[in-house]
Amino acid sequence: GENVEQHPSTLSVQEGDSAVIKCTYSDSASNYFPWYKQELGKGPQLIIDIRSNVGEKKDQRIAVTLNKTAKHFSLHITETQPEDSAVYFCAASNRDSSASKIIFGSGTRLSIRP
Amino acid sequence: GAVVSQHPSRVICKSGTSVKIECRSLDFQATTMFWYRQFPKQSLMLMATSNEGSKATYEQGVEKDKFLINHASLTLSTLTVTSAHPEDSSFYICSARGTVEQPQHFGDGTRLSIL
Repeated sequence: GENVEQHPSTLSVQEGDSAVIKCTYSDSASNYFPWYKQELGKGPQLIIDIRSNVGEKKDQRIAVTLNKTAKHFSLHITETQPEDSAVYFCAASNRDSSASKIIFGSGTRLSIRP
Repeated sequence: GAVVSQHPSRVICKSGTSVKIECRSLDFQATTMFWYRQFPKQSLMLMATSNEGSKATYEQGVEKDKFLINHASLTLSTLTVTSAHPEDSSFYICSARGTVEQPQHFGDGTRLSIL
């Protein structure tokens, strides 16, 4: 089955700097890669996603890149703000399968230093 | 946007009690619902997947008689933790989606504490 690895496990950046979180996946059949932000005591919230037919996607300060050949995908947050502090999860799934389910990475705890 | 409502948000009960958690999709029809368990500072572990009107599919190692899942309508799924014990204490999160092409949206979780 699919295995998603995520690095780093913790990340501290100065406010205004950029943050990058990297993930790898193992199943070449995976074709959908969502990213979730989880704040303390809350459920994960979808912040951006990318499909395998796209190499990059951007939404304001957030961007995701995908390298299908290397099975790598990354989340980039620019101009970080205190409210960006949270745990971020990458994930992968195969949307061509009716039994599609999301497999999560281990999470990255992002702290923004004022 | 799509909203998934989970209730209750917090439960504290005695060992041996059965606890029911509800998950509702508020503005879309949830063909498929998922139940996850999350331990402190860890990732979400999928427990089971349920399609409306069908029996749930449980992940390996998850006891189906311990964690009863019902998905009787397109907007409601329930998870019942039967005869709960302290080791069942955890953060339980539900998720729902419409078609397989649509995003999966999560509830805000239920923190279950068994004394």
